[in-house]
Amino acid sequence: KAGVTQTPRYLIKTRGQQVTLSCSPISGHRSVSWYQQTPGQGLQFLFEYFSETQRNKGNFPGRFSGRQFSNSRSEMNVSTLELGDSALYLCASSLEGAHNEQFFGPGTRLTVL
Amino acid sequence: DAKTTQPNSMESNEEEPVHLPCNHSTISGTDYIHWYRQLPSQGPEYVIHGLTSNVNNRMASLAIAEDRKSSTLILHRATLRDAAVYYCILNDDKIIFGKGTRLHILP
Repeated sequence: KAGVTQTPRYLIKTRGQQVTLSCSPISGHRSVSWYQQTPGQGLQFLFEYFSETQRNKGNFPGRFSGRQFSNSRSEMNVSTLELGDSALYLCASSLEGAHNEQFFGPGTRLTVL
Repeated sequence: DAKTTQPNSMESNEEEPVHLPCNHSTISGTDYIHWYRQLPSQGPEYVIHGLTSNVNNRMASLAIAEDRKSSTLILHRATLRDAAVYYCILNDDKIIFGKGTRLHILP
């Protein structure tokens, strides 16, 4: 079965702009989690969505938001981009939640200039 | 903050067993111990997880201390393709990744 897909794979934006990233989970998976990975901070949890509801949230400012659709696909939005938002954004899906095995996508590499 | 402590890096020779340690002294009774690894230029991939008993799968074994304050991921016969960053994570509602252990495999 198809794995987790993320689009776009690469993105370049300038400070102040906003960006939307997309994640399609594995068919049948209802939980989608988002992570930010940077060389300095490593992998950091952003939020988790389950059945269209945000179930858990990490310590990120309100500029980072997300949503999940009825087909479990999820989007993540970052508004008013800052240079420090440059990172690899990873999405992971699982059957019921983060306590299950998570399957990660290849990530979206965001560069903010 | 991550609730686990791992060595920053380890080295092993190819085709030898590798024991990757993890300390989690503040583990609660409901926390599962998960291991993921991240190969270069890829997203993390699940390796194994357990609660109290030792676990085996096709990739690795997980040995959990009786008091659950530490665990060890065992790769029985390391190959060059096992070179990666290995993350030990306590998993209740969300995953908090630490810095992990960068495993180098020497040919």
